Amino acid sequence: DIQMTQSPSSLSASVGDRVTITCRASQAISTYLAWYQQKPGKVPNLLIYAASTLQSGVPSRFSGSGSGTDFTLTISNLQPEDVATYYCQMYNGAPRTFGPGTKVDIK
Amino acid sequence: EVQLVESGGALVQPGGSLRLSCSASGFTVSTYTMHWVRQAPGKGLEYVSAISSSGGGTYFADTVRGRSTISRDNSKNTVYLQMSSLRAEDTAVYYCAKGPCGGDNCYLDVWGEGTTVTVSS
Repeated sequence: DIQMTQSPSSLSASVGDRVTITCRASQAISTYLAWYQQKPGKVPNLLIYAASTLQSGVPSRFSGSGSGTDFTLTISNLQPEDVATYYCQMYNGAPRTFGPGTKVDIK
Repeated sequence: EVQLVESGGALVQPGGSLRLSCSASGFTVSTYTMHWVRQAPGKGLEYVSAISSSGGGTYFADTVRGRSTISRDNSKNTVYLQMSSLRAEDTAVYYCAKGPCGGDNCYLDVWGEGTTVTVSS
């Protein structure tokens, strides 16, 4: 099975900062990569699919890039409402493995 | 509006069984691959199971394979996850989710609110 890793596991940044989260697949997955946001006590919410396509309704400060094995999620202007755990997920066949998550806090 | 509502979560004893239900509205479950994802308390997301739009393709994580079945009742527009021989490590919130396609290469675009399974004596 393909394994997914994320770094860092947690980060703390200031409002307005640019934040980058990295996701790595143990094998190439083309661009079959999604990002989800899970706010505390809430249901996961799809942010990005196909590595870089923003889901409808998601603020444009979120962006994704990458292909093959290395991917990034960037929040360009961190807002207080972005406090959440972010998960990547590969969906190039089964199992559609999730990364371990990156917890983002505000300083 | 596309919506998923899970039910069936409960407190069960180790070794017991449960059937989780996922009732869909706003779309037809037989058109899309349907998924179950769980989250243990304070932990990350774990992909558990899926059933393809044809119903012929199913997937189970190693952690539940052999103890679980996934099925669909098209007349009720509902997907089920039957779990048996439950263990403490099955304790989690179980989310039902929908993919935007009927095959294997689907992300999860709509999630339910989840149902809680607690396995404890």
